[in-house]
Amino acid sequence: NAGVTQTPKFRVLKTGQSMTLLCAQDMNHEYMYWYRQDPGMGLRLIHYSVGEGTTAKGEVPDGYNVSRLKKQNFLLGLESAAPSQTSVYFCASSYDVPGLAGGGDEQFFGPGTRLTVL
Amino acid sequence: AQSVTQPDIHITVSEGASLELRCNYSYGATPYLFWYVQSPGQGLQLLLKYFSGDTLVQGIKGFEAEFKRSQSSFNLRKPSVHWSDAAEYFCAVALTSGTYKYIFGTGTRLKVLA
Repeated sequence: NAGVTQTPKFRVLKTGQSMTLLCAQDMNHEYMYWYRQDPGMGLRLIHYSVGEGTTAKGEVPDGYNVSRLKKQNFLLGLESAAPSQTSVYFCASSYDVPGLAGGGDEQFFGPGTRLTVL
Repeated sequence: AQSVTQPDIHITVSEGASLELRCNYSYGATPYLFWYVQSPGQGLQLLLKYFSGDTLVQGIKGFEAEFKRSQSSFNLRKPSVHWSDAAEYFCAVALTSGTYKYIFGTGTRLKVLA
């Protein structure tokens, strides 16, 4: 099993450009997440999905959109990139969602995408 | 507001020495508690988790953590650190209020001296 994979690994954008980050998991997990990691701020949840065709906002959703058309894939889009979106982006998946279903399951993370917006 | 605090941004220990990384949370009830490790250029990997029961939990790579309700703490420990333990460590809580909330601390970067 590959686990959670992310493409691309690195990307440089100019302000105003758009792009899509792809996350794929082969563990048949229902739940998927997108985080951003910035120095001194830990990981912050951007959007998440509790199943195919569903998405929900996390802590810092502004400037991002997501789609979950297939269970195994979770896409993160930046419609008009800004320098404030320079960050490392992590995708994660889990079998269950702590709190919602009471399972408290762990999250499995991808290797990350380093995005720089000039 | 709910929060997770890791008061130590950086910690340096000598190889073979013991280690304790601190984590405190602010929440009205007992959350689910996790410790993750992130090696350079990698994603996060779960070390251990606490849901209920025995307050001392064992994890992978020789790590353990103790939940102390009275102190709202979940400190990570290892009796003898190896050079390969150099990484960044994140404490996280999952809140059980019925709406989804998974909060990470800001991390503690561990350096191991040979």
